[in-house]
Amino acid sequence: EAGVAQSPRYKIIEKRQSVAFWCNPISGHATLYWYQQILGQGPKLLIQFQNNGVVDDSQLPKDRFSAERLKGVDSTLKIQPAKLEDSAVYLCASSPEKRAHGEQYFGPGTRLTVT
Amino acid sequence: QKEVEQDPGPLSVPEGAIVSLNCTYSNSAFQYFMWYRQYSRKGPELLMYTYSSGNKEDGRFTAQVDKSSKYISLFIRDSQPSDSATYLCALGENSGYALNFGKGTSLLVTP
Repeated sequence: EAGVAQSPRYKIIEKRQSVAFWCNPISGHATLYWYQQILGQGPKLLIQFQNNGVVDDSQLPKDRFSAERLKGVDSTLKIQPAKLEDSAVYLCASSPEKRAHGEQYFGPGTRLTVT
Repeated sequence: QKEVEQDPGPLSVPEGAIVSLNCTYSNSAFQYFMWYRQYSRKGPELLMYTYSSGNKEDGRFTAQVDKSSKYISLFIRDSQPSDSATYLCALGENSGYALNFGKGTSLLVTP
């Protein structure tokens, strides 16, 4: 079974530029998550999709971050404009369950550096 | 007070030692308790999953939950250099959608 795929793996941009990350979840997983993991911290949920609908985006900085999940499969996360404090690893995870107790399978992450 | 507290370490032990990793939490609504392992430059992978209180054992790994003390533990027996990683606790509510992660404890097992 193929795992969660993410691209790019690394990205370096200047502040105020925009950037987009892509995620392909495990086939058949209805729930998709985007997390932000700052160095030395645990992952923080940014947004959760169930199929192509948003379940929870309460911690997504909506003035600069946006996310979509077209056709309930792949997802993109965009930051525009980026700030220095956005430097982090952005993790995508998928789960066959909707609730938090479902096992989440993580991708390798995209490491973003904002200079 | 953060909902989940975890000592970041680093924790260094010799090969073969018993390792104890812990998290404390403040939200009594947490019912699901998980431990994830994260190798450097990789995504977290689920190691142990416990519902409510009690112990769960899987090979060299044992997870314990003490809800009365709001304290969870992960024990690793006969630790190996390949166990060197960051261990994250993650807690979820019965009715919730999001997992609450600890900061992670960095473990180094030296040969």
